[in-house]
Amino acid sequence: GESVGLHLPTLSVQEGDNSIINCAYSNSASDYFIWYKQESGKGPQFIIDIRSNMDKRQGQRVTVLLNKTVKHLSLQIAATQPGDSAVYFCAENYEGSGNTGKLIFGQGTTLQVKP
Amino acid sequence: ETGVTQTPRHLVMGMTNKKSLKCEQHLGHNAMYWYKQSAKKPLELMFVYSLEERVENNSVPSRFSPECPNSSHLFLHLHTLQPEDSALYLCASSPSATRGEQYFGPGTRLTVT
Repeated sequence: GESVGLHLPTLSVQEGDNSIINCAYSNSASDYFIWYKQESGKGPQFIIDIRSNMDKRQGQRVTVLLNKTVKHLSLQIAATQPGDSAVYFCAENYEGSGNTGKLIFGQGTTLQVKP
Repeated sequence: ETGVTQTPRHLVMGMTNKKSLKCEQHLGHNAMYWYKQSAKKPLELMFVYSLEERVENNSVPSRFSPECPNSSHLFLHLHTLQPEDSALYLCASSPSATRGEQYFGPGTRLTVT
């Protein structure tokens, strides 16, 4: 079946460096992707989304890149700060979801920021 | 209060108890969701409601019973749960059940003893 996965369960970076979190998806019909951040004791927080008609989208300190050829999604965080420490999830929505906005989530990458 | 709220934040219950989880969204959205989040597993979609109508039941055991009295409120009624049901239960809402980002509440940490 379709799945969304992240390449690394844990990523450790130095404060001030850029972080890149990767995600691979298997369904070429997926046309909408979201990145979420989940801090300890909290629910997932929407960070940024991208539709399949785009390759890149930028937010505040974050950039999402979509490579449909290899079905790869990445989240780039510029100048990583201690407050960025969290678990990051990617999620996809695909046509097979019918009339529900069914998101398929990956397992998550834990980002650890070292001071 | 803004966003999506959930109560209680923590719940410990025995296997013979009956309890309910409550979710409220203050975003004017039309769709609401229940998810289960267990350690080391991706989020599992349980139920989807669109305009108070259940549009998806993701093969969830009958010991979990959702209720959506209006588009702002969602309940999850629990009875005769099993220890393996211990998890973080997350509620989310979105503008539409067909598209769009979902906004999550803080979750209820449930422990079944």
